[in-house]
Amino acid sequence: SQQGEEDPQALSIQEGENATMNCSYKTSINNLQWYRQNSGRGLVHLILIRSNEREKHSGRLRVTLDTSKKSSSLLITASRAADTASYFCATVQVGGYQKVTFGTGTKLQVIP
Amino acid sequence: NAGVTQTPKFQVLKTGQSMTLQCAQDMNHEYMSWYRQDPGMGLRLIHYSVGAGITDQGEVPNGYNVSRSTTEDFPLRLLSAAPSQTSVYFCASSPPGADTQYFGPGTRLTVL
Repeated sequence: SQQGEEDPQALSIQEGENATMNCSYKTSINNLQWYRQNSGRGLVHLILIRSNEREKHSGRLRVTLDTSKKSSSLLITASRAADTASYFCATVQVGGYQKVTFGTGTKLQVIP
Repeated sequence: NAGVTQTPKFQVLKTGQSMTLQCAQDMNHEYMSWYRQDPGMGLRLIHYSVGAGITDQGEVPNGYNVSRSTTEDFPLRLLSAAPSQTSVYFCASSPPGADTQYFGPGTRLTVL
């Protein structure tokens, strides 16, 4: 089964608003990553947060991680039409060969 | 650098046919993996490799074979194609630690 589940499945906002999407996972992780996928394209890495970190920023992106609740959130501030894409969380589990497993994704639409 | 390349971009097979999806990377990454993406399912890990000569199964390995004879190449073989294997296939590579995965553009496969 999927390691990560994103919520909501779809989100529609106006340009300039903030977008928040959440990810829950099941097992202990080494790190959690967020990726963006534009329609019909491969995924692009956005940001990584390690299991010993609680918050991380990169430009208009803010990621939080709560390992006690096994959850993460991605906040995109001041959204733009170009942010329209699907967003996926991916977890790297502790131990083994660092398998990376992806969530089901949140489809974000930013209306100009 | 070309990054991660995948061929072909599109393929139509008949049930029972076999084929190989090609994946190559020129970043000297040790870690490579194959995913399939189906609507509403996110990305599911098929097989992965942590270096030449080392491969392991992911979440959905049945019906697929892989080998890793060189660092650069990680082909995915469909032994006897089935309609359930209709999907978009993505190859990815990353340096040790799997901190960032670099994705290829994908192969859209239809099995009739």
